[in-house]
Amino acid sequence: NAGVTQTPKFRILKIGQSMTLQCAQDMNHNYMYWYRQDPGMGLKLIYYSVGAGITDKGEVPNGYNVSRSTTEDFPLRLELAAPSQTSVYFCASSSPTSGGGDTQYFGPGTRLTVL
Amino acid sequence: GNSVTQMEGPVTLSEEAFLTINCTYTATGYPSLFWYVQYPGEGLQLLLKATKADDKGSNKGFEATYRKETTSFHLEKGSVQVSDSAVYFCALRDTGFQKLVFGTGTRLLVSP
Repeated sequence: NAGVTQTPKFRILKIGQSMTLQCAQDMNHNYMYWYRQDPGMGLKLIYYSVGAGITDKGEVPNGYNVSRSTTEDFPLRLELAAPSQTSVYFCASSSPTSGGGDTQYFGPGTRLTVL
Repeated sequence: GNSVTQMEGPVTLSEEAFLTINCTYTATGYPSLFWYVQYPGEGLQLLLKATKADDKGSNKGFEATYRKETTSFHLEKGSVQVSDSAVYFCALRDTGFQKLVFGTGTRLLVSP
């Protein structure tokens, strides 16, 4: 299994440009997540999905959009890039277990800089 | 709301020293608790977890006990190695919620 894969690894955008961060998992997990990690901070949840066709906002959704057309893929879209979106973005997936103890599996991250 | 508080780093230790990283939480229900580790340039990976009070999670020599009375989940290791240098995140998942809430992370630096 490749686990959770993310592309690209690095990207530099100009203010106002748009881009899509790709995320795919091959573990047949229903749940997928997008986080951002700012320097010295913990991870903040942007969006999550509990299955194909179902998405919901996390703590910091403004400026982002997601879609989930298949179980495997969960792309994150930035429409009008702003310097405040400079961050490292992590995608994760999990399979629900009773009691809430499911493990989230993380991708290697995408480092995005907006200038 | 739900929150996780971790001790600030960096924590700097010599090889074979004893490690404690403190973590306390606030939750409305009965959360599951996790420690994730992030090695340089990589994503997070689960280190250990506990899903109910008094459970002890353990992995790779690390341990943490779910203490409901003190709302804590402190990470310990008896003898750290240079390869343990990483950032450690405490997290909780409250009952009925899909989301993990993370602490701010604690950087551990182990020197030979």
